[in-house]
Amino acid sequence: SQTIHQWPATLVQPVGSPLSLECTVEGTSNPNLYWYRQAAGRGLQLLFYSVGIGQISSEVPQNLSASRPQDRQFILSSKKLLLSDSGFYLCAWKLEVVNSPLHFGNGTRLTVT
Amino acid sequence: ILNVEQSPQSLHVQEGDSTNFTCSFPSSNFYALHWYRWETAKSPEALFVMTLNGDEKKKGRISATLNTKEGYSYLYIKGSQPEDSATYLCAPSEAAGNKLTFGGGTRVLVKP
Repeated sequence: SQTIHQWPATLVQPVGSPLSLECTVEGTSNPNLYWYRQAAGRGLQLLFYSVGIGQISSEVPQNLSASRPQDRQFILSSKKLLLSDSGFYLCAWKLEVVNSPLHFGNGTRLTVT
Repeated sequence: ILNVEQSPQSLHVQEGDSTNFTCSFPSSNFYALHWYRWETAKSPEALFVMTLNGDEKKKGRISATLNTKEGYSYLYIKGSQPEDSATYLCAPSEAAGNKLTFGGGTRVLVKP
């Protein structure tokens, strides 16, 4: 069966510090991978998605970047965090089939102080 | 960016009552419509993925319908129970089904 691992679960970082969130998927090959964010009082916003190694689609201009160095690894990064980067970050995967659902990780609660 | 609207934003339902709410999305370039349930302190879980106009899906007391021509989907909860309390999210997909943009969600609170 497929599993998704996302870490860390919580993170408190000062403004201007770097960020690296990692997500890995097991039990499937060539999944689509996603990063979503829920800011306080807001909905679930798509940040990045990837349909293959090295292929990243950025949805919202921002202080973040994503990379997919391996087939089942998706990394969210920032060189310098802003207060507005605080939120709940969710990684997800799905098969590259139209009717395949998203499967979410447990999320990372990021607080930028 | 795809414009996805869910209404109402929130609703309170008495235990045992039935309810429904709406997801509206652009009808052009449609691939699929996803519904998820997001309970507090958990991750979103998939309820349905619907692709065909007129499609109806059912999972226990929860069901959904899809109208791709006019761009809307309804989610129904029959005989609401406290465990149905959650935020219900819809997401149409584009880019050959690879890109999913979520609506703001409908937050349902079922009162005992």
